Amino acid sequence: EVQLVESGGGLVQPGGSLKLSCAASGFTFSGSAVHWVRQASGKGLEWVGRIRNKANSFATAYAASVKGRFSISRDDSKNTAYLQMNSLKTEDTAVYYCTSPAGGSGWYFNYWGRGTLVTVSS
Amino acid sequence: QSVLTQPPSVSGAPGQRVTISCTGSSSNIGAGYDVHWYQLIPGTAPKLLIYGNTNRPSGVPDRFSGSKSGASASLAITGLQAEDEADYYCQSYDSSLSHWVFGGGTKLTVL
Repeated sequence: EVQLVESGGGLVQPGGSLKLSCAASGFTFSGSAVHWVRQASGKGLEWVGRIRNKANSFATAYAASVKGRFSISRDDSKNTAYLQMNSLKTEDTAVYYCTSPAGGSGWYFNYWGRGTLVTVSS
Repeated sequence: QSVLTQPPSVSGAPGQRVTISCTGSSSNIGAGYDVHWYQLIPGTAPKLLIYGNTNRPSGVPDRFSGSKSGASASLAITGLQAEDEADYYCQSYDSSLSHWVFGGGTKLTVL
């Protein structure tokens, strides 16, 4: 069974940092890209960024709203991806989902985690 | 504002048919990028419903179907059931932004 499990969410003050983890199982994690998508309360889904696999040089890409503040990394030996969030703003408050297009064309997301809540507030 | 436009809400009685539209532009759906659909139920992981405009993953009932024309796409749900009550999102890729984009989501209420 495929599983993606996010962790690391919580309450953080504006300007602070937080690192989310995404633990994967049930599929070939090392061969797959990993994306992060977020959903603020009452809002729609927003793509945050992605990291490709080793064959694609672990290339990353980010939405303009987080570029320069967020970074994505991965440790294939642990089947885990990370989202490092710095200089957090109140508008970053959201549920953060880890997702992967594994097994598909790469243009859509086959597998999703249940998300982890990040609250940025003083 | 979301790059792809969806109606905020739709509703229907059990057994009825509803459709959810998704309108894009010449840099995403209109550029030929496929549309995909997801179902979100609070407290659960989002679920892929339709990929590549019209394809259903294994396990998705054939009550769900997708279509695409020009810069728009639609999700149709026939034989509405109470368990279909959820939020539905369309998704594509935008060449101007160089990243994946979603619609604003549509809340389906089964009356």
